[in-house]
Amino acid sequence: AQSVTQPDIHITVSEGASLELRCNYSYGATPYLFWYVQSPGQGLQLLLKYFSGDTLVQGIKGFEAEFKRSQSSFNLRKPSVHWSDAAEYFCAVGARNAGNMLTFGGGTRLMVKP
Amino acid sequence: EAQVTQNPRYLITVTGKKLTVTCSQNMNHEYMSWYRQDPGLGLRQIYYSMNVEVTDKGDVPEGYKVSRKEKRNFPLILESPSPNQTSLYFCASSLAGSSGNTIYFGEGSWLTVV
Repeated sequence: AQSVTQPDIHITVSEGASLELRCNYSYGATPYLFWYVQSPGQGLQLLLKYFSGDTLVQGIKGFEAEFKRSQSSFNLRKPSVHWSDAAEYFCAVGARNAGNMLTFGGGTRLMVKP
Repeated sequence: EAQVTQNPRYLITVTGKKLTVTCSQNMNHEYMSWYRQDPGLGLRQIYYSMNVEVTDKGDVPEGYKVSRKEKRNFPLILESPSPNQTSLYFCASSLAGSSGNTIYFGEGSWLTVV
């Protein structure tokens, strides 16, 4: 069974600073990989996803993530954080050829200092 | 507009009083599921359904029931709620067959059991 670890529960960055949120997964092969964002009081919005091909994936809102097979990681990055990026971020993995189920990490809450 | 609609959005109830959280999607999706979100644990799947009259347990099914009598609806039933079911609940839907299919989430239902 797959699992996902987001080592950082909380992260605080200054507005304009760069951001990296970590995600490590455990799975026997290359999974589908996702990042979702949850703004306060809102549902989950898909930021980006990786299925195959180019290991650097571009998403919405200026986010990108890089799949590193050797490290079993799929870290999310943004070069310059905006105050509106304050939210909770979830990494998720899905098994290929095994139905629709996603396994989510515990989430990282991002706070942005002015 | 593609939507997953949950009701109620907010509910405070007492231990043992049966309640139902409704979920409806307008995208003709075969696959629907329920998650609960708890701090530090991310989203955990409660039940899922691959199609009408086909349901199965997820990771944390204890204390919950579901039914799928129509394709668009997937209600979550708490027969005898307990305080440990206080949580944020999300309904989700997608096309069936692959975790690579885009998942659409509802806006969440905050449930407090006292």
